[in-house]
This record gives sequence, structure tokens and C-alpha cells, in this order.
Amino acid sequence: AQSVTQLGSHVSVSEGALVLLRCNYSSSVPPYLFWYVQYPNQGLQLLLKYTTGATLVKGINGFEAEFKKSETSFHLTKPSAHMSDAAEYFCAVSDINSGYALNFGKGTSLLVTP
Amino acid sequence: GAGVSQTPSNKVTEKGKYVELRCDPISGHTALYWYRQSLGQGPEFLIYFQGTGAADDSGLPNDRFFAVRPEGSVSTLKIQRTERGDSAVYLCASSLGVGGLIQETQYFGPGTRLLVL
Repeated sequence: AQSVTQLGSHVSVSEGALVLLRCNYSSSVPPYLFWYVQYPNQGLQLLLKYTTGATLVKGINGFEAEFKKSETSFHLTKPSAHMSDAAEYFCAVSDINSGYALNFGKGTSLLVTP
Repeated sequence: GAGVSQTPSNKVTEKGKYVELRCDPISGHTALYWYRQSLGQGPEFLIYFQGTGAADDSGLPNDRFFAVRPEGSVSTLKIQRTERGDSAVYLCASSLGVGGLIQETQYFGPGTRLLVL
């Protein structure tokens, strides 16, 4: 069975600092990996996704993530945090055995301080 | 265009009551998904529709939960004999549903916050 682990339920960074949100997955077959962001009282919004091909994936708002098969990781990064990045971030995995369901991690709450 | 909409945005009910939660997907999206998000957790899959039929209902926790999509557009999640443990945010998502479903982007609504007293 597939699963996702997000290390750190809360991450705090200073404005302008590097953002690194960690995601490790387990899947017995090639995974499809997603990062979603959830702002207060809003729906989940897709930041980026990896399906096949290039392992470095660029998303919206300056975020990117790299699929590392050897490390079973899909960490999310952004070079310079902005106050508007404060939100809840979810990593999710699906694969051909899971059907159409996304399997989400527990989420990481990002706090950006001035 | 309009995104996924869900009504009501909040629902408070008493234990044992019946509730219906509605989802309006993005126009033209044939795939529709329901998830449940408990406090401090990520969303958990409940059921997936392709058109009018439930293609995968493996995530429904028990037979108190049921969902329909009679015309292949709007969907209703129905919960009978609600329990306090059903309190959560119920999320609906839709996607185009044309091949390569696993890789398709799922677009989420804002959710319905259900509180069972």
C-alpha cells in the first residue's frame, strides 16, 4: 500500500529565507506525486505535480520539487519565502494500483515571519 | 470560469440525524471525487464517480455513507444516523475525466464543515 510522510507538522521561516517542506512516499510501483496548498477557508490548490519525465518540477508561485526515486522523496522548495506563502501544504501520492484516489500526508503548516 | 462549489459551507446537526452535502463540479468535468478531512489530518478518499456511476467507493467508511450523481454533474453525499465521529470537512473535487485519470489534476471545492453534536 502507498503512503506519504510529511516531516514536520509546523515549519517557520523568515521572510526571504529558503522554504523546504519534506515529503517521503512509499509505493510499490512508479508513483505520481503532487503538492497542494490550502489557504484558510479555501479549497486545496495544486502547486505542482510529477507524473513522468523530468524529475525537477516547477510549479506556481515560485515553488519547485524534485522527485528522487533513490530517496523516495519529493521535497518542496522555494528560494525566498513571502508572507503570502503562509498556508497548509499537503503532499499526495497516487499510482496505478490506487485507482484514482489521492493519498495525502498529514500536512505541514508554514509560518512566515517578518 | 467557476470552480467547484459545495453547499452548505457549514452544517451543524445532532447525533442520529440525516444530512446531505452537495457538490457542483466544474462544468464539463466528468470525474468527481469526495474526500473527508478530519482535524489535523490530510484529506482521505471516500468515493469516485466517472459520469453517473460510482467507479470506486472503497473509501466509504461504512454503510451509513452513500453518494449519488444521477445526471453526471451535481453529486450529493448522504450520511445516515450521523455520529460525532463524522464531524469533519467534506471536500469535493472534479477533473476532466478523459484518459490518464491518475495524472489528472483534481480541482477542489472549499468544503463543507460538518459538526455533529
